[in-house]
Amino acid sequence: AQKITQTQPGMFVQEKEAVTLDCTYDTSDPSYGLFWYKQPSSGEMIFLIYQGSYDQQNATEGRYSLNFQKARKSANLVISASQLGDSAMYFCAMRENTGTASKLTFGTGTRLQVTL
Amino acid sequence: EPEVTQTPSHQVTQMGQEVILRCVPISNHLYFYWYRQILGQKVEFLVSFYNNEISEKSEIFDDQFSVERPDGSNFTLKIRSTKLEDSAMYFCASSVDRSYTDTQYFGPGTRLTVL
Repeated sequence: AQKITQTQPGMFVQEKEAVTLDCTYDTSDPSYGLFWYKQPSSGEMIFLIYQGSYDQQNATEGRYSLNFQKARKSANLVISASQLGDSAMYFCAMRENTGTASKLTFGTGTRLQVTL
Repeated sequence: EPEVTQTPSHQVTQMGQEVILRCVPISNHLYFYWYRQILGQKVEFLVSFYNNEISEKSEIFDDQFSVERPDGSNFTLKIRSTKLEDSAMYFCASSVDRSYTDTQYFGPGTRLTVL
């Protein structure tokens, strides 16, 4: 089974609108972290936001927020007031509390296109 | 703001040649990682490194790959005899510790093209 599933290969949103990018995860580990990264066309991976499995509140960072539904094992990224510069690939990733240096496991990504 | 740097940004090599990809992690970080992303695919973990030893490696990280921290700042990935299928973007990342709560910060990547 996939550990991280992003079911939306591509999304369109109009400038200034909000958009939700879906992410579901699968783990039997009670301790884990969920991360979102942005990859613009230039290729770098930019950290956006983090949610811990024991966090009671949804994480927020500026225009980014994470809709964390633990029972459903989902961690959707919400981008409010979209800007043209938000056009990029977005990856959801999980870090479990296993192994000696807990690697990140990534989903397949969602390509977001912001339109005028 | 501190950042992870990688050189070169793009490397073109012939099949069978050795390549070394270089990374300078964030200075107070102790854990280092290499990931790769084949064009159009997801990012895959290769190896993690701590205290001058490999902590964990994936099945992709076979005998043709090696990592080294030759001095106090650089972290390198060597591919001994490149294959066409090694063509990918290679990302270096670093984190302060190994905790699942800790963020891994990525470098800008090296795009490796094997001809």
